Amino acid sequence: AQSVTQLDSQVPVFEEAPVELRCNYSSSVSVYLFWYVQYPNQGLQLLLKYLSGSTLVKGINGFEAEFNKSQTSFHLRKPSVHISDTAEYFCAVSAAAGGSQGNLIFGKGTKLSVKP
Amino acid sequence: EAGVTQFPSHSVIEKGQTVTLRCDPISGHDNLYWYRRVMGKEIKFLLHFVKESKQDESGMPNNRFLAERTGGTYSTLKVQPAELEDSGVYFCASSFYEQYFGPGTRLTVT
Repeated sequence: AQSVTQLDSQVPVFEEAPVELRCNYSSSVSVYLFWYVQYPNQGLQLLLKYLSGSTLVKGINGFEAEFNKSQTSFHLRKPSVHISDTAEYFCAVSAAAGGSQGNLIFGKGTKLSVKP
Repeated sequence: EAGVTQFPSHSVIEKGQTVTLRCDPISGHDNLYWYRRVMGKEIKFLLHFVKESKQDESGMPNNRFLAERTGGTYSTLKVQPAELEDSGVYFCASSFYEQYFGPGTRLTVT
């Protein structure tokens, strides 16, 4: 079984500041890792994913995440945030299965609030 | 290309009533998933269809929930009878490899 812990439920930050949203996971099997974003009144959108290979993954909207196997972490970062990045961010894992996403296990979400 | 659509976007019903949620996946996606987010909690997996077959329904909370996927196309999730604790946002996702999510249905049981 897998589990995901997002360490911060809310992260307030000023515009143009850097941000890191933390995610730790546990699993007895190899996993794929994902970050999703939910903007107000919209569905979940995939930001980035780690399946294999390079541990630094770049996603949309200037976000990136680094897979750290020894620390079982997959923290999301952006060097300079915009007001439009205000949203809720979800870390998720699935059991690794030949490149195909399986059932996703989500963290509780982190609400990022970017202030002018 | 149309995305995953869900209907209705919001439903308010009384305890004991029946509600049916619908999900239309992206055309050609054999995999269809249902998830639910209860307020303040994480998004949780409910079940997974491959075409019209239930691949995994381990996340279904109890037998008040019934999911179907007619002809491997759209899917419905019926809650009968609804209880207060069923309130939340129900998400549908479809995939070939990567899951694409719909906007969700917000269910409120009063």
